Amino acid sequence: DIQMTQSPSSLSASVGDRVTITCQASQDISNYLNWYQQKPGKAPKLLIYDASNLETGVPSRFSGSGSGTDFTFTISSLQPEDIATYYCQQYDNPSITFGQGTRLEIK
Amino acid sequence: QLQLQESGPGLVKPSETLSLTCTVSGGSIRSTSYYWVWIRQPPGKGLEWIGNIYYSGSTYYNPSLKSRVTISVDTSKNQFSLKLSSVTAADTAVYYCARRENIAARFDYWGQGTLATVSS
Repeated sequence: DIQMTQSPSSLSASVGDRVTITCQASQDISNYLNWYQQKPGKAPKLLIYDASNLETGVPSRFSGSGSGTDFTFTISSLQPEDIATYYCQQYDNPSITFGQGTRLEIK
Repeated sequence: QLQLQESGPGLVKPSETLSLTCTVSGGSIRSTSYYWVWIRQPPGKGLEWIGNIYYSGSTYYNPSLKSRVTISVDTSKNQFSLKLSSVTAADTAVYYCARRENIAARFDYWGQGTLATVSS
């Protein structure tokens, strides 16, 4: 099975900061990588698919990049409503695995 | 607007079978573009994919759960279901149903989730 190592596990930043989260796959997954945001008590929400494509309706301050084994998720200017836990998810068909999550807090 | 809604008992006894149903509204479960999936999240922990089903009934399960999981589909009711046998406290989790695009494996629509607790 492909393992996803997501870091950091938690992060504290100020409003307006640039925030970066990384996800590393245990083997090459091309661009088969999605990113989700989960707020407390809610289902996850898809933000980025195929490593770098912004889901419809998602603010442009969210972005993703990478291919192969190393991927990056960025919030260009942190907003108070971005407080959540973020997960990467790989799909090496047919198996699917998630990263451990990054809890983002406001400083 | 597509909606998914989980339903089922919130409390299951150890060694018994957990059974949940997901009802899809606002769209057809027969679409050839999507799989239908179950994902779970133990309290305070991360997400775990359980398995997929296609409208034809074709399934694929997480290898770590495969021996205990059955996912089925009822296209006449626009529903799909999860059965997890021989449950233990480690199976206590919020269970989500979701729609997955069949190529890109992006989960674009989710149910609100239902907490299933395993306890005597």
